[in-house]
Amino acid sequence: DSGVTQTPKHLITATGQRVTLRCSPRSGDLSVYWYQQSLDQGLQFLIQYYNGEERAKGNILERFSAQQFPDLHSELNLSSLELGDSALYFCASSLGLAGGYSYNEQFFGPGTRLTVL
Amino acid sequence: EDKVVQSPLSLVVHEGDTVTLNCSYEVTNFRSLLWYKQEKKAPTFLFMLTSSGIEKKSGRLSSILDKKELFSILNITATQTGDSAVYLCAVYRDDKIIFGKGTRLHILP
Repeated sequence: DSGVTQTPKHLITATGQRVTLRCSPRSGDLSVYWYQQSLDQGLQFLIQYYNGEERAKGNILERFSAQQFPDLHSELNLSSLELGDSALYFCASSLGLAGGYSYNEQFFGPGTRLTVL
Repeated sequence: EDKVVQSPLSLVVHEGDTVTLNCSYEVTNFRSLLWYKQEKKAPTFLFMLTSSGIEKKSGRLSSILDKKELFSILNITATQTGDSAVYLCAVYRDDKIIFGKGTRLHILP
């Protein structure tokens, strides 16, 4: 158990809908990262927040957005869902800020499996 | 475009065999190379490699990085069924981690 929690574990919804995935980082971690894992694309970095502020963006679609709240939990919002959005969405957390030469080990949550029908 | 390529995509061996997993990369602003093990759910961290030619070891697992040829290998000796998993190679650059698609390893008893 990494100490990172994600809810819900599974989510089934229809195309065009909007969903919210939630992540609580490990106690003391200030950085939260979101990843999407699909069979054909592998694990892809979406976005990072550090202490409430967006710090890095990856391959995140405009239909997706995220935020980190004052209590450091984070939410990933996915809207206008398409079949291709079906994937496993991971949240990870680390103590510090990714950047420069210093890698802060990221601890992954168990993921939310999203199925879009 | 940054990319991390792993080979083979999948591998089936018998318990006790030794396996070598490969990872090549082309990434700007390279900082370090990471190996993760992913069983049923979340990836778990194995190694971070920053310098060429220095082997990192953890039990039966070892890894080495060649920054000149832009690749890394992960060796697992005396494999056990518990080693069955997807092994992910990733490169940490200055603002994000780029993952390969993984090698799916299955160990037969």
